[in-house]
Amino acid sequence: SAVISQKPSRDICQRGTSLTIQCQVDSQVTMMFWYRQQPGQSLTLIATANQGSEATYESGFVIDKFPISRPNLTFSTLTVSNMSPEDSSIYLCSVTDSNYGYTFGSGTRLTVV
Amino acid sequence: QQQVKQSPQSLIVQKGGISIINCAYENTAFDYFPWYQQFPGKGPALLIAIRPDVSEKKEGRFTISFNKSAKQFSLHIMDSQPGDSATYFCAAVTGGGNKLTFGTGTQLKVEL
Repeated sequence: SAVISQKPSRDICQRGTSLTIQCQVDSQVTMMFWYRQQPGQSLTLIATANQGSEATYESGFVIDKFPISRPNLTFSTLTVSNMSPEDSSIYLCSVTDSNYGYTFGSGTRLTVV
Repeated sequence: QQQVKQSPQSLIVQKGGISIINCAYENTAFDYFPWYQQFPGKGPALLIAIRPDVSEKKEGRFTISFNKSAKQFSLHIMDSQPGDSATYFCAAVTGGGNKLTFGTGTQLKVEL
């Protein structure tokens, strides 16, 4: 299965600022996903990022708040914009192979103060 | 709307005991049901998965039981060990495999 490197692993940010999270995969993948996991909660899909097209956002998530880039088949970024304390969460990227296998990065633990 | 319901929220089991976590779903379009294990500070890792044409799948100490008519599936951890202490998520995928829907999670603690 793919190996995912996610950066940064954690950060503490001031409200009103933005943070860009990077996700690097060791193999080419068609679909990449970004999830949010609030403390003690389950994972919620933010958006699906396909190379060469705009990301598809889930209900409750908008591009202005969570812009995503997918410049090639091994890399994606998620930006959390104009942050507030409510954005404090773990953000994870994930990829899938053609056999329904999903692999997750270790996540970025974001605290907004 | 939560499409995959998971219970219990937390579970304490003695070492050597059996841990059982249950999930139920509504969407009959789901055709793949994985279980994920997550340790603190780590992303979820695939533990075991099943498709609805199979009623049971076993891998080592981990077994999935699947009841298609009841739209329920469960994870059994036999001979539970302290190292199994983690959060477990059931999940479901619709045809095409392009979106995971997670259950709410079960925090398992295995005591000595």
